[in-house]
Amino acid sequence: DAGVIQSPRHEVTEMGQEVTLRCKPISGHNSLFWYRQTMMRGLELLIYFNNNVPIDDSGMPEDRFSAKMPNASFSTLKIQPSEPRDSAVYFCASSSIRAWDATGELFFGEGSRLTVL
Amino acid sequence: TQLLEQSPQFLSIQEGENLTVYCNSSSVFSSLQWYRQEPGEGPVLLVTVVTGGEVKKLKRLTFQFGDARKDSSLHITAAQPGDTGLYLCAGGGGTSYGKLTFGQGTILTVHP
Repeated sequence: DAGVIQSPRHEVTEMGQEVTLRCKPISGHNSLFWYRQTMMRGLELLIYFNNNVPIDDSGMPEDRFSAKMPNASFSTLKIQPSEPRDSAVYFCASSSIRAWDATGELFFGEGSRLTVL
Repeated sequence: TQLLEQSPQFLSIQEGENLTVYCNSSSVFSSLQWYRQEPGEGPVLLVTVVTGGEVKKLKRLTFQFGDARKDSSLHITAAQPGDTGLYLCAGGGGTSYGKLTFGQGTILTVHP
């Protein structure tokens, strides 16, 4: 069975350009998470969805960041306009939340490495 | 805000040595997970502990959840080069339904 699929794997762009990262979660999972990883800050949660509804977007750094989940099999993270400090590896993860106050295993994609020049 | 502090941040040892990685917080978590991440890949779950005082073993890896569910440790016996990677602890539950708080990670290098 396919795992979490992210695209692109690598993206190099210039400051000011729009960047769109894509994610296909594991079929049947009801939660989807976007994380950002840097050496300085580690793994930071940006936003997560449950049943396609955004539950917590408090980690989204600025209005330049937006995320959507139009259906259970697809999500996007958009940065517009991009800045050099946005350079990081962006991970998408999905999970099957079984009950309130319980945490299922997170299944991560291979990540999208973004470099903003 | 729930925070998890991992120590040490970096660990460089020889093959065959034992090591322990610690994960501490002032907050109580309903569950604690440990992940391992290799370069160019996403983290992969190693274990989940949910009961205070719980000990789980996975071959040469032993995981412990503190009695108060605020801390955890990962002990590796007779480390091998294949254990090299980034180890991350993550706490879940409480007021952060469905949301994991990750520690900064421990980069382990095991030299042959």
